[in-house]
Amino acid sequence: DAGVTQSPTHLIKTRGQHVTLRCSPISGHKSVSWYQQVLGQGPQFIFQYYEKEERGRGNFPDRFSARQFPNYSSELNVNALLLGDSALYLCASSLSVAGSYEQYFGPGTRLTVT
Amino acid sequence: RKEVEQDPGPFNVPEGATVAFNCTYSNSASQSFFWYRQDCRKEPKLLMSVYSSGNEDGRFTAQLNRASQYISLLIRDSKLSDSATYLCVVNARRTSYDKVIFGPGTSLSVIP
Repeated sequence: DAGVTQSPTHLIKTRGQHVTLRCSPISGHKSVSWYQQVLGQGPQFIFQYYEKEERGRGNFPDRFSARQFPNYSSELNVNALLLGDSALYLCASSLSVAGSYEQYFGPGTRLTVT
Repeated sequence: RKEVEQDPGPFNVPEGATVAFNCTYSNSASQSFFWYRQDCRKEPKLLMSVYSSGNEDGRFTAQLNRASQYISLLIRDSKLSDSATYLCVVNARRTSYDKVIFGPGTSLSVIP
């Protein structure tokens, strides 16, 4: 069975641009969560979606938004990119609500903002 | 105070050693607890869930103390392949929202 997939794997953008990251969960998993990980730190929770509804939100500005599609795949959008948005963006899927069930992570998208 | 704190590390231990990692959390309403490991420049991988009664998986033992808001991970007979960063994860539920919080991680290097 395929694991969590993310695209693209690497991305370079300039300040002020917009970016869309994509994630496909494990088949049968209905919850997708997004995390930002800066080098040397643990992943920071951005969003959680379950059955296409937002079920959790971390302390990120409104420039960050996400959505989940009927097939449970998800997009993370970041507007007006800042240098500080450079990070590894991780997507995780789980059977149900993320906090109550184990999460399985994709390989991440490494975003560099110049 | 950070919501989830871990031993700062790094831990450098010889093969065969026993090593323990500690994690504390601030939200007493937290409901679910996990340990993940993350290899360099890779995604986190679930190591084990942590149950109130404590649980063991081979060389790994996890303990939860709700009264002290404390989680631990014990690794016995360390292997070179155990070298990684160990992340403590806590689900802090707020009304109908879940907020999953990762600790900063503790780095382990097992030395031959």
